[in-house]
Amino acid sequence: DIQMTQSPASLSASLGETVSIECLASEDIYNNLAWYQQKPGKSPQLLIYYASSLQDGVPSRFSGSGSGTQYSLKINSLESEDAATYFCLQDSEYPYTFGAGTKLELK
Amino acid sequence: QVKLLQSGAALVKPGDSVKMSCKASGYTFTDYIIHWVKQSHGKSLEWIGYINPYSGGTNYNEKFKSKATLTVDKSSSTAYMEFSRLTSEDSAIYYCARSGLPGYPNYFDYWGQGVMVTVSS
Repeated sequence: DIQMTQSPASLSASLGETVSIECLASEDIYNNLAWYQQKPGKSPQLLIYYASSLQDGVPSRFSGSGSGTQYSLKINSLESEDAATYFCLQDSEYPYTFGAGTKLELK
Repeated sequence: QVKLLQSGAALVKPGDSVKMSCKASGYTFTDYIIHWVKQSHGKSLEWIGYINPYSGGTNYNEKFKSKATLTVDKSSSTAYMEFSRLTSEDSAIYYCARSGLPGYPNYFDYWGQGVMVTVSS
């Protein structure tokens, strides 16, 4: 199975700051990577697919990049509503696997 | 709009089975693959498998192959997952989710609200 190592496990940032979350795959996943946001008690929401494609309706302050085994999610100009847990998902190879998640707290 | 409405929470005894549903609306049910995902302890996510509502074809994570059975009822646009021989390790929230592209199993764009399953004697 492809292992997805996500970092950091948690981070704290202030409103207006920019943060990045990383996912490292144990092998090349050919940009088959998605990012999700999950708030407590809610279902995950798709932010980014194919590593860098922004899902309809997602604010442009979210962006994804990367290739091969290294991928990142960047959130510009943090807003209070961005406090959540973020996951990556590789859909390159079965079984699909997720990162362990990054909990983003706003100071 | 696309909606996936899942059945309610379940409290089941060890060794029992549970069958949960995922009713789709707002799109053509047979056009998109349905995935199932387990979320344990409020955090980690595991892909269980998927079913193609058009063909009935399935693909399971080996870890869940003897545990989960995926089916659909096209007439009611509903997908089902039955989980058998439950243990405390199966206590979790289970989500159904739709594939992002018609006919392809890539990523998941819409998710159900989740079903909390608690296994306890």
